[in-house]
Amino acid sequence: SQTIHQWPATLVQPVGSPLSLECTVEGTSNPNLYWYRQAAGRGLQLLFYSVGIGQISSEVPQNLSASRPQDRQFILSSKKLLLSDSGFYLCAWSVGGLWEPQHFGDGTRLSIL
Amino acid sequence: RKEVEQDPGPFNVPEGATVAFNCTYSNSASQSFFWYRQDCRKEPKLLMSVYSSGNEDGRFTAQLNRASQYISLLIRDSKLSDSATYLCVVGPNFGNEKLTFGTGTRLTIIP
Repeated sequence: SQTIHQWPATLVQPVGSPLSLECTVEGTSNPNLYWYRQAAGRGLQLLFYSVGIGQISSEVPQNLSASRPQDRQFILSSKKLLLSDSGFYLCAWSVGGLWEPQHFGDGTRLSIL
Repeated sequence: RKEVEQDPGPFNVPEGATVAFNCTYSNSASQSFFWYRQDCRKEPKLLMSVYSSGNEDGRFTAQLNRASQYISLLIRDSKLSDSATYLCVVGPNFGNEKLTFGTGTRLTIIP
C-alpha cells in the first residue's frame, strides 16, 4: 500500500533563516505531488505541484521554491523565511489525473520567530 | 463567486442527531467531488468520493446535485468522534485541472 512520509513534524525557525522540508512517497510510481500551506484557522493554499521529475508548477508568488529530484521525493525550500511563512505545511500525492483524490502526509508545523 | 463555497459553521449538534452540510461549486463542468475530514491540527483525510448516483458509507451519505451545483454530506446517528472540520473538494475548475478545497465546515458533537 502507499505511504507518505513528511518531516520534520515541528520546526521553529528565526526570520531570515533557510528552510528545507522533505516529503517522500512509497508504494506507487510517478505520483502527482503537492505542497500546501494552511494558516491557523484557514483553508488549504496550494503552493506547488509536480506531475513528474523536475516538473514544478507554482501557484502563488512567494519566497518559497520546490524541487522534485526523484520520482517520489518532493522538497519545499526557502532561502530566507518571513514571519508570514508560519503555518501548517502539508505534502500530498495522487495518481492519474490532477482531479483524482489526494492523500496527505502528517504535515509540518512551522513557526517563525 | 468562490469556486467552492461552504458554510464555515460551527455546527453544534447533540450526540445521536442527524446533521447535513451543503457545499456549492461554480464550475458546471466539474467532474470530481470529494468530502475530506480534518481533525484539529491534523492532516485532511479522504472521507468519501461523491458519485452522481449518490453513495453511502455506513452512517455517511453523500449526494451530488448537478442542476443546482452542490454536493451534500449527511451524517446519521452522530458520534462524539465525528467532531471535526469537513472539507468539500471539487475539480477540475475552469481549465484548471486540479482539485479545489473548500475552507471547511466545523462540526462539534455535544454529549
